[in-house]
Amino acid sequence: DAMVIQNPRYQVTQFGKPVTLSCSQTLNHNVMYWYQQKSSQAPKLLFHYYDKDFNNEADTPDNFQSRRPNTSFCFLDIRSPGLGDAAMYLCATSREGQGVSYEQYFGPGTRLTVT
Amino acid sequence: AQSVTQLDSHVSVSEGTPVLLRCNYSSSYSPSLFWYVQHPNKGLQLLLKYTSAATLVKGINGFEAEFKKSETSFHLTKPSAHMSDAAEYFCVVSDGPSSASKIIFGSGTRLSIRP
Repeated sequence: DAMVIQNPRYQVTQFGKPVTLSCSQTLNHNVMYWYQQKSSQAPKLLFHYYDKDFNNEADTPDNFQSRRPNTSFCFLDIRSPGLGDAAMYLCATSREGQGVSYEQYFGPGTRLTVT
Repeated sequence: AQSVTQLDSHVSVSEGTPVLLRCNYSSSYSPSLFWYVQHPNKGLQLLLKYTSAATLVKGINGFEAEFKKSETSFHLTKPSAHMSDAAEYFCVVSDGPSSASKIIFGSGTRLSIRP
């Protein structure tokens, strides 16, 4: 089945130690998103790629970076994780077209713990 | 500017009774509206979507929602709750043309089901 895959499902990192989360998709969607979701809150959009074009949300900290080497893969890099970065990180994809908003397909998420 | 308000942070119903989760939106354009469900430690799953076709939208697992432009509402309903419906529900609004930065999540409604 076509899907959005996130690895690992659980990630533990140390304070200040760089960490990379990965997302892959078999849907061939042109848009990929990264969200941060803290407990009992709605997902917060960090950034997204529209094809190769990177779009950063204004309030996303510089500590968060992303790479999209090809259509299928997208990475979230946290350069120096702080305790406040502990959260669930969700990857999503969608197929965008002119004047139409399509639904997003979400991966299962990676839960990041910072010690 | 667009916004979405989920009027109840927590709804509790008995198994077998109707479910109503309320969502109001504000949008300058003809919006696309979505309901997603999130079970604990899982990603989000699309329940249903409205994209300017029929105002009564049927989704998965017996859920449906009605788009009411005059009331700027998109409430989610189900005739008979099941224990497996216990989860977090998010109402999402998206303005066209395609732009991920205009996807707005509601704050979520936690649905509890009493035996």
